[in-house]
Amino acid sequence: DSGVTQTPKHLITATGQRVTLRCSPRSGDLSVYWYQQSLDQGLQFLIQYYNGEERAKGNILERFSAQQFPDLHSELNLSSLELGDSALYFCASSVAPAGVADTQYFGPGTRLTVL
Amino acid sequence: AQKITQTQPGMFVQEKEAVTLDCTYDTSDQSYGLFWYKQPSSGEMIFLIYQGSYDEQNATEGRYSLNFQKARKSANLVISASQLGDSAMYFCAMREAQDGTASKLTFGTGTRLQVTL
Repeated sequence: DSGVTQTPKHLITATGQRVTLRCSPRSGDLSVYWYQQSLDQGLQFLIQYYNGEERAKGNILERFSAQQFPDLHSELNLSSLELGDSALYFCASSVAPAGVADTQYFGPGTRLTVL
Repeated sequence: AQKITQTQPGMFVQEKEAVTLDCTYDTSDQSYGLFWYKQPSSGEMIFLIYQGSYDEQNATEGRYSLNFQKARKSANLVISASQLGDSAMYFCAMREAQDGTASKLTFGTGTRLQVTL
């Protein structure tokens, strides 16, 4: 158990809908990262928050947004869902905002299926 | 060019044997970190081992060791005394400093390891 929690574990929804994925980082970690794992794209970095502020953006679609709250939990909002958004969404957390030695610990993931 | 290349889509190893999973990387940075993660069929990503670009010694964590050859830009994972529970997907990843934020992990495509009796 990494100490990172994600809810829900599974989510099934329809095209055009909006969903919210939730993540709680490990105790003491201030950075939260979101990744998407799909069969065609592999594991892709979406976005990072550090202590409530957006710190880095990756391949995140404009239909997707995220935030980190004062208690450090984070939410990833996915809207106008398309079939291609079906994927495993991971949240990871780490202590530092940056640094090549800063290990990211992953949550169990949320499996999103868009029908 | 791919940042992280894992050329073995699948590997088989017998229980109690050692196995090496290959990873090569591409970066112009002097400072970077290399990570290996394990993803069992249940889906979670488990951190296994870290190697820094300036580390002179190869990293070891229990049955996991990292064969780091900087000049060849390779960071192979060695699992000794394989166990049935080692059957999983293994990902090599890199964190670079050059992107300014040193935030994201860049992952390879993974190697699926199957441990047999």
